[in-house]
Amino acid sequence: DAKTTQPNSMESNEEEPVHLPCNHSTISGTDYIHWYRQLPSQGPEYVIHGLTSNVNNRMASLAIAEDRKSSTLILHRATLRDAAVYYCILRFNFGNEKLTFGTGTRLTIIP
Amino acid sequence: GAVVSQHPSRVICKSGTSVKIECRSLDFQATTMFWYRQFPKQSLMLMATSNEGSKATYEQGVEKDKFLINHASLTLSTLTVTSAHPEDSSFYICSAGSALGDIQYFGAGTRLSVL
Repeated sequence: DAKTTQPNSMESNEEEPVHLPCNHSTISGTDYIHWYRQLPSQGPEYVIHGLTSNVNNRMASLAIAEDRKSSTLILHRATLRDAAVYYCILRFNFGNEKLTFGTGTRLTIIP
Repeated sequence: GAVVSQHPSRVICKSGTSVKIECRSLDFQATTMFWYRQFPKQSLMLMATSNEGSKATYEQGVEKDKFLINHASLTLSTLTVTSAHPEDSSFYICSAGSALGDIQYFGAGTRLSVL
């Protein structure tokens, strides 16, 4: 499986944008870039995914580098409820492929 | 979005007993479900892939006779921790894929404490 590299932790002030980076230099052409997050004592939840183009949804935006070797999850206006561990995962998008979780980035929101 | 229900949310049991954890997809059918285990301060580790109507596929190092998986219907998979011991204490999480298979929906997790 192609691996991803994320910072162990990040801090951000409440109501400010947050940019969470992910490096995936060995990404293959069929890998989609997925982001999930896990709030304390809960199961993970889906955030966003994309292949080549930038993606937006109600939770976040995903900016994908032109060479696809890195991506950035953008939370436009962080709230205290966004404090979680964020996982960047590469995955073939069909056929119910498993998710392989790395260590993720622990995001702390400062009030 | 799709919802996955996991029950119980917390269980405390004595060493040597068996514990069953249920994972249900509430508004969609799931031919494949996944079971993960998470120790404190660590990431999720995939234990097994549960396939409806067939045997589960276990990850390397996971004892299939200790962690019994049954996926008897398109909406229910169960994980039974047999003869639980304190080292089995962990956070167990299930997930099921959307119809397209592109998004995984996770249960809220089951915290197992074995005394």
